[in-house]
Parts: sequence; structure tokens; C-alpha cells
Amino acid sequence: GENVEQHPSTLSVQEGDSAVIKCTYSDSASNYFPWYKQELGKRPQLIIDIRSNVGEKKDQRIAVTLNKTAKHFSLHITETQPEDSAVYFCAANPGGTSYGKLTFGQGTILTVHP
Amino acid sequence: NAGVTQTPKFQVLKTGQSMTLQCAQDMNHNSMYWYRQDPGMGLRLIYYSASEGTTDKGEVPNGYNVSRLNKREFSLRLESAAPSQTSVYFCASSVTGDGGYTFGSGTRLTVV
Repeated sequence: GENVEQHPSTLSVQEGDSAVIKCTYSDSASNYFPWYKQELGKRPQLIIDIRSNVGEKKDQRIAVTLNKTAKHFSLHITETQPEDSAVYFCAANPGGTSYGKLTFGQGTILTVHP
Repeated sequence: NAGVTQTPKFQVLKTGQSMTLQCAQDMNHNSMYWYRQDPGMGLRLIYYSASEGTTDKGEVPNGYNVSRLNKREFSLRLESAAPSQTSVYFCASSVTGDGGYTFGSGTRLTVV
């Protein structure tokens, strides 16, 4: 089955710096790669996603890049703010399933210091 | 429009007791899922239902059963709770063909 590895497990940055979180996946059939943000005690929420037919997608201060050959994808957050502090999860859809089954990475705790 | 609603929010069970976690969505989504979240292990899929009338095992199904009661509702049952099932449980739903999940608010379950 699909294996999704996420690094680092914790990341600490100063406000205004950039943060990068990386994920690798094992199933070459995967074609959908979302990122979720989970604030303390809250539910995970989708922040950005990318499909295998594109290499990069941006939404204001966040961007995701995908390298299908190397089977890795990354989340980039620029100009970080304290409210970006949360746990971030990457995910991939094993077998390229169309009905949305996802395998998640272990999560990255991001702390942005004012 | 409530999205995905889970009940209860908190529960304490004794070892061997049974309970059902309820989940309902009002977004007309076809697919529904149950995940458990444990520290350092991310979200692991317990069971999923790709469409009404179908259910399938995920990564960690042992000790659980599910029922897709109709298009809106997907319940998770623990027949004989064990301390290893202490976790936060999330229900989620998605539109077929679009993997973006909407999660419920979670159920924090403690088995003593």
C-alpha cells in the first residue's frame, strides 16, 4: 500500500521567514496531493492541493510543488505569521483512486515565533 | 449548512464496553471516511465508504465495524473497547473524483 513520509516532524521559524515541509510517497499511481492544516484542538482543514498534471500551485503565501519522477512534493509558506503555527499534514491518494481515499503523512508541528 | 457533524465530542469507556460514533454530512457527498489520530502517527484510515451501499477496510480496521446507513450517515462501532483504541476519531466526506475532505470536529475517546 501507499506509504507517505513527511519531514521534518517539527519546524521552528521566526515571523517573516519561510517554511518548507517535504513529503515523499511510494505509489507511482497516486495523482492527488493535498495539504491540511490543523490548529490545536481543531479539525484538519484543506489549505491547498495539487494534481499530477501540474508541477506547482500557489495561493497567496502558500505554494506546493510536485516532482512525480522523484515522488516527492513540498509545501512552501512565505512571510510566516504567528497564526501559521499549527500541525500540517500532507497526503496522497493510493492507486490514484477517484473516490478520495487518502494516506496521510505523520504531520509537522510548525511554530512561528513573533 | 452544518457540513460534517460528529457525535459525541467526548467519551470515556471502560474496557469491554461498546459504543457507536455517529457522523452525518449535509453536502451531498458520495464518499465518507473514518480516521483515527494518534500523536506522531498522523491520520490513519479505519474504514471508508466510496458510495452509498459500499464499505471497505482501511489501514487499521481491527476492532471496528461501520454502517453506511444512507448517503448522509456513516457510523463507526466499537464492539468491545480496548485501551489501544484511545484516540481522536475524525469522520470526513468528499465528492467522488475530488479528494478534498471536509472533516468533522472529532470525537475524543478514552478507554480505561
